[in-house]
Amino acid sequence: GQSLEQPSEVTAVEGAIVQINCTYQTSGFYGLSWYQQHDGGAPTFLSYNGLDGLEETGRFSSFLSRSDSYGYLLLQELQMKDSASYFCAVRRNSGNTPLVFGKGTRLSVIA
Amino acid sequence: GAGVSQSPSNKVTEKGKDVELRCDPISGHTALYWYRQSLGQGLEFLIYFQGNSAPDKSGLPSDRFSAERTGGSVSTLTIQRTQQEDSAVYLCASRGTIISYEQYFGPGTRLTVT
Repeated sequence: GQSLEQPSEVTAVEGAIVQINCTYQTSGFYGLSWYQQHDGGAPTFLSYNGLDGLEETGRFSSFLSRSDSYGYLLLQELQMKDSASYFCAVRRNSGNTPLVFGKGTRLSVIA
Repeated sequence: GAGVSQSPSNKVTEKGKDVELRCDPISGHTALYWYRQSLGQGLEFLIYFQGNSAPDKSGLPSDRFSAERTGGSVSTLTIQRTQQEDSAVYLCASRGTIISYEQYFGPGTRLTVT
């Protein structure tokens, strides 16, 4: 089977840094993606790691360790608008096959 | 160009009725996916179309669910004899090329079965 584990909820203070972890067990692994979803909105792509290491995109960074089947999303200088759900998703092969999503982490940013 | 669009945005139906949900992917995108998201849950894969290949239906929860994609573009997801457990947001996504790793999602159709 396929399973991705991430915390269900995280609360952090505006301006702080928060890390959302994701561990995975899937049949096949090619890369790890992160998506953001605001309430009532569509998931939007944030980041992708195909190789081990850190990828940085502005205030957001994502990390992957294939040997540990583990990745994380790091959000810096948190803003109120970052309050949303964050999903990790595994790409299982190099083709266009569907992503396998985690259940999501609901991030609440408080003043 | 325009993003992925879905219609209707909301659908309320009575148990036992059939419903059709529509998805217009980004023009030129060869891959199209349907996912289902129940309240507070992750995205559950339903069905996947890639070009002219036979669709991957491995995620469909029962034979009441079916989907088609006409002309390699618009897709329709049909749920027959709806049940209350079918209530969820149905999301459509498309993707351009194999080397692209980003899926573009539509706003979803919120289905409520009463």
